[in-house]
Amino acid sequence: EDQVTQSPEALRLQEGESSSLNCSYTVSGLRGLFWYRQDPGKGPEFLFTLYSAGEEKEKERLKATLTKKESFLHITAPKPEDSATYLCAVLRESGGGADGLTFGKGTHLIIQP
Amino acid sequence: DTGVSQDPRHKITKRGQNVTFRCDPISEHNRLYWYRQTLGQGPEFLTYFQNEAQLEKSRLLSDRFSAERPKGSFSTLEIQRTEQGDSAMYLCASSLGSRGLDGYTFGSGTRLTVV
Repeated sequence: EDQVTQSPEALRLQEGESSSLNCSYTVSGLRGLFWYRQDPGKGPEFLFTLYSAGEEKEKERLKATLTKKESFLHITAPKPEDSATYLCAVLRESGGGADGLTFGKGTHLIIQP
Repeated sequence: DTGVSQDPRHKITKRGQNVTFRCDPISEHNRLYWYRQTLGQGPEFLTYFQNEAQLEKSRLLSDRFSAERPKGSFSTLEIQRTEQGDSAMYLCASSLGSRGLDGYTFGSGTRLTVV
């Protein structure tokens, strides 16, 4: 069964204090690993898809990296508007398995001014 | 296009009643997904459609749950004989890619409370 574990569960940073969020995963054949941002009362907002180990993607203050067992979301010089829950999810290669994403529980990030 | 729309945003129902939610995906998207999210958890996959065909159902989708997507456009999710454990946010998402890698667009969800 696919598993996604995110750490830490919650993280409080000062504005400008860079850090990383971790996503460890177990999946039988990775089709893609996804990062989403979720604000309270809203649906997840797509950030990145990573396909293979060694891949990196960047968007503004966010950078996602992927290894064979985990992914990191690096946040550089965060601002209060980066406060949200960050979700990691995996999609398994087909072959009779579910075609849906398996999500972790998320990391609740708070950036204090 | 205003994105993925879900209706209603909130629903309070008594245990044992039936409820139906609607999702309008982005018009050109051929794939539509339903997920359920409880407090402090990530979304859990329920089912997905490619056009009008329902291709996959999670074991989480009990016999009390049914989903349809007539004509490959909007979709409905019905829960019969609701139970308190059905209380959750029900999220709909859509995508265009054939392999699901383009990143889904989620709606804002329908929050169901069963009392």
